[in-house]
Amino acid sequence: GNSVTQMEGPVTLSEEAFLTINCTYTATGYPSLFWYVQYPGEGLQLLLKATKADDKGSNKGFEATYRKETTSFHLEKGSVQVSDSAVYFCALSRGAGGTSYGKLTFGQGTILTVHP
Amino acid sequence: AAGVIQSPRHLIKEKRETATLKCYPIPRHDTVYWYQQGPGQDPQFLISFYEKMQSDKGSIPDRFSAQQFSDYHSELNMSSLELGDSALYFCASSLYGTGGTEAFFGQGTRLTVV
Repeated sequence: GNSVTQMEGPVTLSEEAFLTINCTYTATGYPSLFWYVQYPGEGLQLLLKATKADDKGSNKGFEATYRKETTSFHLEKGSVQVSDSAVYFCALSRGAGGTSYGKLTFGQGTILTVHP
Repeated sequence: AAGVIQSPRHLIKEKRETATLKCYPIPRHDTVYWYQQGPGQDPQFLISFYEKMQSDKGSIPDRFSAQQFSDYHSELNMSSLELGDSALYFCASSLYGTGGTEAFFGQGTRLTVV
């Protein structure tokens, strides 16, 4: 079956530091890959996505590239801010179209804390 | 822009009681998904509906049932509640087919069973 593995956290950084959160996946076929962010007491917000190999998703300074050869979708940001403190989930869906996009398999989440 | 609306936002129930959670998808979205997120856990897929028919089923307990109505809103019914049912329940919606490439989540209903 499908599975997503994220680097273990929590991750604590100083403001303006470089961020990497590793994510690898196991899936059949050609899944779509996502990063969701969850702020304290809030719901899940889509941060970025990639639907095919070598696609790069980007948003708010965050980037992730769909690497089929390494089955990875690592999240990066060059300079984090205190407001980036949240839980980050890597997720995959089975692929394109139909009802596939919303049936997501999530990683275990990584807690990011950024200090001033 | 309109988002996914879930109600209630918070719910406290006693063991063995029944709870009903409601989800109103983004206008024109025809597919609804339900997730359960336990404390410190990742969200787990429960069930989904497309055009009022169940489209997929995950780890949903037999005590739970759900349906999608003609206006596309969905309800998750939970009976004989147990302490372990305490969790954040998310609803998400999407548009079937290649018209949309992502699901949008509501803010969740926090269910506490005491």
